Formats: sequence, structure tokens, C-alpha cells
Amino acid sequence: EVQLVESGGGLVQPGGSLRLSCAASGFTFSSYDMHWVRQATGKGLEWVSYVGTAGDTDYTGSVKGRFTISRDNAKNSLFLQMNNLRAEDTAVYYCAKEGPTGGDAFDIWGQGTVVTVSS
Amino acid sequence: DVVMTQSPLSLPVTPGEPASISCRSSQNLLHSDGNNYLDWYLQKPGQSPQLLIYLGFNRASGVPDRFSGSGSGTDFTLRISRVEAEDVGVYYCMQALYTPYTFGQGTKLEIK
Repeated sequence: EVQLVESGGGLVQPGGSLRLSCAASGFTFSSYDMHWVRQATGKGLEWVSYVGTAGDTDYTGSVKGRFTISRDNAKNSLFLQMNNLRAEDTAVYYCAKEGPTGGDAFDIWGQGTVVTVSS
Repeated sequence: DVVMTQSPLSLPVTPGEPASISCRSSQNLLHSDGNNYLDWYLQKPGQSPQLLIYLGFNRASGVPDRFSGSGSGTDFTLRISRVEAEDVGVYYCMQALYTPYTFGQGTKLEIK
């Protein structure tokens, strides 16, 4: 079964750090681009970051310089290092896999991990 | 950033009736490869989003054929030919041509 399982969320104070992980199974992880998408409570979806199969990365503007996406193909894992966290980073964070169909659509999503930034 | 605008934001539908959601982009989503980089997702209550439609009109694996996508350039539509109770949730369009990828505000479909 193709599956993504996030972990690492929690409560952190403003200015603190968290490292999210996403464990992939059921597919050849190294062959697919991966993304992080977040959703604040009661709000819509917001794309956060991308890492390609070649290790190329991109970020939404509000997290540039604070978040770092990475992948470990040997461990079938995706990561998001989040530094200098702000209250507005509070959200459910989903990892998502790009599908093989092209067009960069996200065909598999994890269940999400909750990040709360509060003092 | 590309702004995606959905309408309506709320959509009450009687089971068996059709439904339609519009998604407009502030920039042309037609790639030079001939594809429109516009996807549709459904987030059912309490669940993660799931892919419905990719590249404007292609149904994802396992998606019932009552769902269809159309449009090109800046105007796109998701149609449900006959709404069923299991279709309730929030529908999002997303453009995947320009980073940052951006989503519409979401359309909440509810059963009358």
C-alpha cells in the first residue's frame, strides 16, 4: 500500500524549531518529487515547499530562510526543518507525493502532523 | 503569486442533482507542452485532501466518472453530474505551473 506518515509536530514557542518527518512506503520514493502543504485550523490549503528527485528545492515566500526541506532516499524519508517559528506557522502539515501522471499533481497525501506555535 | 478564485464558496446540493464549481486563475495556466497545470482536490470532513482531477480534465485513479473537469487558460470548471452523499467536503483547485503553487479558497459542498 502506498503510504505517507508524518511525525514530529508539537507545541513550540515563538522563535523555536521543529523538524517534521514523512515516512514513505509502497513506492519508489527516490523517483518522485515531494512537497509539504499546510492548513491552519478552519482555513484553506497552502503550499509550503518542494524537493525534486535531484534535490532541487523551492519554498513559499513566508518560509524562505526559515524552513529547509530535505530528503533521504536511503531511508525513504522527507523532512522539513522549521526554524524561527511564528504564530502564523501554526497548522496541520501534510507531506504529499507528486503523481506519475505529470502536471505536478499530488496523488498521495499523508494524514498530517499538527504544529502549534504559542507561548 | 498566482491568485486562484473559486465560486461559489458554499454549494448546497440535492442528491442526484448536478453541481458545478468555477476556478479562475490570475495567470494563464496553459503550459507550452499543451497542458493546463490545474488540479482539483476534495477534502472530506476530517480527512486529508485527495486528488480528483489533474491537468485540467484527467480523472485520478479511482475517481468516479460523475466527476469531470474542463477549461483552459484562466477559466476552469469542476462538474459533478449527480451528487451523492459521499461527495460532501471542501473542493479546492490548485495551479501547479508557477511556484509558489497556489490553491483556491475552497468550495464547501453540502447536501440539502
